[in-house]
Amino acid sequence: EAQVTQNPRYLITVTGKKLTVTCSQNMNHEYMSWYRQDPGLGLRQIYYSMNVEVTDKGDVPEGYKVSRKEKRNFPLILESPSPNQTSLYFCASSFGVGYEQYFGPGTRLTVT
Amino acid sequence: GQQVMQIPQYQHVQEGEDFTTYCNSSTTLSNIQWYKQRPGGHPVFLIQLVKSGEVKKQKRLTFQFGEAKKNSSLHITATQTTDVGTYFCAGRAGGTSYGKLTFGQGTILTVHP
Repeated sequence: EAQVTQNPRYLITVTGKKLTVTCSQNMNHEYMSWYRQDPGLGLRQIYYSMNVEVTDKGDVPEGYKVSRKEKRNFPLILESPSPNQTSLYFCASSFGVGYEQYFGPGTRLTVT
Repeated sequence: GQQVMQIPQYQHVQEGEDFTTYCNSSTTLSNIQWYKQRPGGHPVFLIQLVKSGEVKKQKRLTFQFGEAKKNSSLHITATQTTDVGTYFCAGRAGGTSYGKLTFGQGTILTVHP
């Protein structure tokens, strides 16, 4: 089944404790992206990757890191999480730029 | 940077009424996509518009892209309870920012039976 998976689905952590949210797709998609969703703000793009080893900043990259070492994986790293990073995070992938995006199920992160 | 504004933020309708959500970009877009997110779910792609003045239909849904490629709308005719959810537009500029996708704030649609 074609899908985008994210882990973990739920995470409660404390300020400053490094964490990684994994994202994997099995569709051989070139384009992958991370978004955060907050009430009233819609989805905001954090980082995107147009291919392996190619990443670029979205609209809200501060406090986040990404890497794209393999085509199928695009982990999101929070080196020192803060409470303002409490949010619902979505990973998405598409065949290429300008194609429909397939979203993962989301990761609800709470930073206390 | 590019901004995409979407209105209204909320819309409550009776089943059978029509619904429209509007999207306006601060810059000219190369294309615009629309997504639907059911409560508790993830966004699901509906359609992409690319050409100036383009109109596309999917059953009761009609999508338009403005002539200047700076605005778009989604119109649902005779809403049903299955239409409940949040509708997002997402615009992509051209040039060096082509990989970036900017979403509107979304319109939350409630349909009363």
